[in-house]
Amino acid sequence: NAGVTQTPKFRVLKTGQSMTLLCAQDMNHEYMYWYRQDPGMGLRLIHYSVGEGTTAKGEVPDGYNVSRLKKQNFLLGLESAAPSQTSVYFCASSYPGRALAYGYTFGSGTRLTVV
Amino acid sequence: QQQVKQSPQSLIVQKGGISIINCAYENTAFDYFPWYQQFPGKGPALLIAIRPDVSEKKEGRFTISFNKSAKQFSLHIMDSQPGDSATYFCAASKQEGATNKLIFGTGTLLAVQP
Repeated sequence: NAGVTQTPKFRVLKTGQSMTLLCAQDMNHEYMYWYRQDPGMGLRLIHYSVGEGTTAKGEVPDGYNVSRLKKQNFLLGLESAAPSQTSVYFCASSYPGRALAYGYTFGSGTRLTVV
Repeated sequence: QQQVKQSPQSLIVQKGGISIINCAYENTAFDYFPWYQQFPGKGPALLIAIRPDVSEKKEGRFTISFNKSAKQFSLHIMDSQPGDSATYFCAASKQEGATNKLIFGTGTLLAVQP
């Protein structure tokens, strides 16, 4: 009963390097999201997906790309990392609709530092 | 522009006291208001949620109070315990086609002192 699994948990990148953050969920959720969390800024939506093969931009999409080739996986890519992308990244998933009993299931986060 | 404004940024409460966190929103189309709780090193987890057709929802020691006319909602934690020490986020969403993406507040770091 893993829920949402994010890999890696920690990463240090040099400016200009690229990397992919992996998110996998085993709850058969249709919707998946990538957020970044910064001090004093809360959680800001980067990209999201409402189903396999679909993606859409969120609040802060610049510098990131995503792919949802399989329903259970949502990948976040940084093509050329910048220090401003130093953050904690959270993946989440949910069912369609917004029933009160449901909500987002979050992973435990990836702490990324760009030097 | 912050669509959901949360205060205070941090809060210290004595054990057994009442913790109150406030949020305000501008978009009257928002129709779903959840609160999330986050412990250090973990992802946020849904705590309690409300729709604007009710003014209050209670689950155990946690209560959401909702004021539609003022466009404000708050989280009350009764009999606060050290185990409640965490960061709390309010959020809001509105139906937009197939999406239900949440807009989060900036978070409140709660410390309950024994």
